[in-house]
Amino acid sequence: DARVTQTPRHKVTEMGQEVTMRCQPILGHNTVFWYRQTMMQGLELLAYFRNRAPLDDSGMPKDRFSAEMPDATLATLKIQPSEPRDSAVYFCASGSGTSQETQYFGPGTRLLVL
Amino acid sequence: GNSVTQMEGPVTLSEEAFLTINCTYTATGYPSLFWYVQYPGEGLQLLLKATKADDKGSNKGFEATYRKETTSFHLEKGSVQVSDSAVYFCALIQQIKAAGNKLTFGGGTRVLVKP
Repeated sequence: DARVTQTPRHKVTEMGQEVTMRCQPILGHNTVFWYRQTMMQGLELLAYFRNRAPLDDSGMPKDRFSAEMPDATLATLKIQPSEPRDSAVYFCASGSGTSQETQYFGPGTRLLVL
Repeated sequence: GNSVTQMEGPVTLSEEAFLTINCTYTATGYPSLFWYVQYPGEGLQLLLKATKADDKGSNKGFEATYRKETTSFHLEKGSVQVSDSAVYFCALIQQIKAAGNKLTFGGGTRVLVKP
């Protein structure tokens, strides 16, 4: 049963610290998405990769957030420095890249910045 | 741009009641439509989808029909169970050549089923 995995599942950190979240997409999927979920904003798309290349990161605060895919089996989302307003659940999803693809979501990383 | 509007929750029902969650969308062309479900403490899971007008998606007793004339994709279930308590998200995906596939979500509808 192929699944998207995310680590860590929970992270508590202090303001100003660096946070790195990791995602392993489903093997064979060539698109990866990062979403943020908060009560106020709902689900927001932060970044989108296809074949490891960033296709759209317009939803991401550029000054402190960065997203990369070092290889096809790993995607990372980094926040440096973190702020309390970054507290949210961050989801990674992967897809097959077809025009009507289904996105498969990971369990999320719940981040709390104190 | 694309948008998805769904009814606000929470929706509170008794077990075996009929559930409807309304969803309407705005998009150019012919998007694919999805319903995702999020159980407490978990990520989103695909519940069902439809890729063209008049298609009906179905899964686990849930159904939704792609209505292009009313730009709607309402979710229904004839007899809900306590285990259906979750947040339901309507979404559409549209391929944009320069920017790839973008999934647009509605705000989510929380459903609570009481025994």
